[in-house]
Amino acid sequence: ELKVEQNPLFLSMQEGKNYTIYCNYSTTSDRLYWYRQDPGKSLESLFVLLSNGAVKQEGRLMASLDTKARLSTLHITAAVHDLSATYFCAVEETSGSRLTFGEGTQLTVNP
Amino acid sequence: NAGVTQTPKFQVLKTGQSMTLQCAQDMNHEYMSWYRQDPGMGLRLIHYSVGAGITDQGEVPNGYNVSRSTTEDFPLRLLSAAPSQTSVYFCASSPGQYNMNTEAFFGQGTRLTVV
Repeated sequence: ELKVEQNPLFLSMQEGKNYTIYCNYSTTSDRLYWYRQDPGKSLESLFVLLSNGAVKQEGRLMASLDTKARLSTLHITAAVHDLSATYFCAVEETSGSRLTFGEGTQLTVNP
Repeated sequence: NAGVTQTPKFQVLKTGQSMTLQCAQDMNHEYMSWYRQDPGMGLRLIHYSVGAGITDQGEVPNGYNVSRSTTEDFPLRLLSAAPSQTSVYFCASSPGQYNMNTEAFFGQGTRLTVV
């Protein structure tokens, strides 16, 4: 059974600081997704990582995937208040299409 | 573009009642799925479908039924609602397992309360 663990689960940081959210998973997969969710809203796709070594960047967020270590990171650079949200990683099983989600990381960026 | 449309957005049920949550997508995606989201537990897969006429169970299928008679629609039925089914339900679709672009798109969610 595929298990996905994120840490930290709660993150409070100051504006302007850097931090990394980690996503570990338990079985072989080479497809991983990051989503953002604002309170009371649906999930918004941030990054699609489809191979080992994939790195994608959008604004102050950068995601990477190391399939050998079964690890993905979401790095936040110079955080701003607008990044406050819950971030989920989701891993696709090799059999195709089923996504298993981490518990989510609730990020609060304080002025 | 409508994307993934879920109805209703909010619903209150009494214990023992049945209802159907509707999900429709207009992207011709093969793969559709239902998740429930509970505080501190991320999203858990209830049922999924890899194409019309094919469904399978996810992690938490008990108390729910699905069918997939068309590519576009994937309704979720609660047979006899229980308070433990109080949750936010999300429907998602993606192109399918043989397509490299497997990004999943989510509906806006249905907030269900069972009293």
